[in-house]
Amino acid sequence: EPEVTQTPSHQVTQMGQEVILRCVPISNHLYFYWYRQILGQKVEFLVSFYNNEISEKSEIFDDQFSVERPDGSNFTLKIRSTKLEDSAMYFCASKGQGNSPLHFGNGTRLTVT
Amino acid sequence: AQSVTQLGSHVSVSEGALVLLRCNYSSSVPPYLFWYVQYPNQGLQLLLKYTSAATLVKGINGFEAEFKKSETSFHLTKPSAHMSDAAEYFCAVSYLIQGAQKLVFGQGTRLTINP
Repeated sequence: EPEVTQTPSHQVTQMGQEVILRCVPISNHLYFYWYRQILGQKVEFLVSFYNNEISEKSEIFDDQFSVERPDGSNFTLKIRSTKLEDSAMYFCASKGQGNSPLHFGNGTRLTVT
Repeated sequence: AQSVTQLGSHVSVSEGALVLLRCNYSSSVPPYLFWYVQYPNQGLQLLLKYTSAATLVKGINGFEAEFKKSETSFHLTKPSAHMSDAAEYFCAVSYLIQGAQKLVFGQGTRLTINP
């Protein structure tokens, strides 16, 4: 069965550095998402992306965040200048047409030191 | 605004016992409701979904959930727990089923199975 794949599984970075989290959605899917889960807290919506543009974003998704689908297969989340509070598990998800559910990747654990 | 509350951050049952994980939702429009499961070191896997058809929804691995509008609940049950059911379970609500569906998750319930 097709899967959403995320790399790396764990990323450690220093505060102030830029990180790029990578995702390969399921190939025929059209809608793409990033969610995050801070340790011990809820899974929170960050952003949805459709037709090469952001369709919705949460208040968490401020100017330090950006998303891109650079080559038709990858879907990336960039955090420009990481803060300690960005440490979390970041989940990518994709969805096909119509009544299909979201499919999630295994997540990237980001640790900012 | 939509929200989901999961009662009990940690539930522990014996192998073979009934599993009941509670979820209450708040939605100003007819909701679509989901249960996801997260096994250790894995992503979120869809267990089942309610999309305004039958109120009793059957999912994978013997789980089912019942939508009760009068109680604004969507509790997850399984008659007999198995050791492999140990995982984190998330209830989620969405107001859109087609197009760019956005999920709002509960805080999760960690299910532990005692031998």
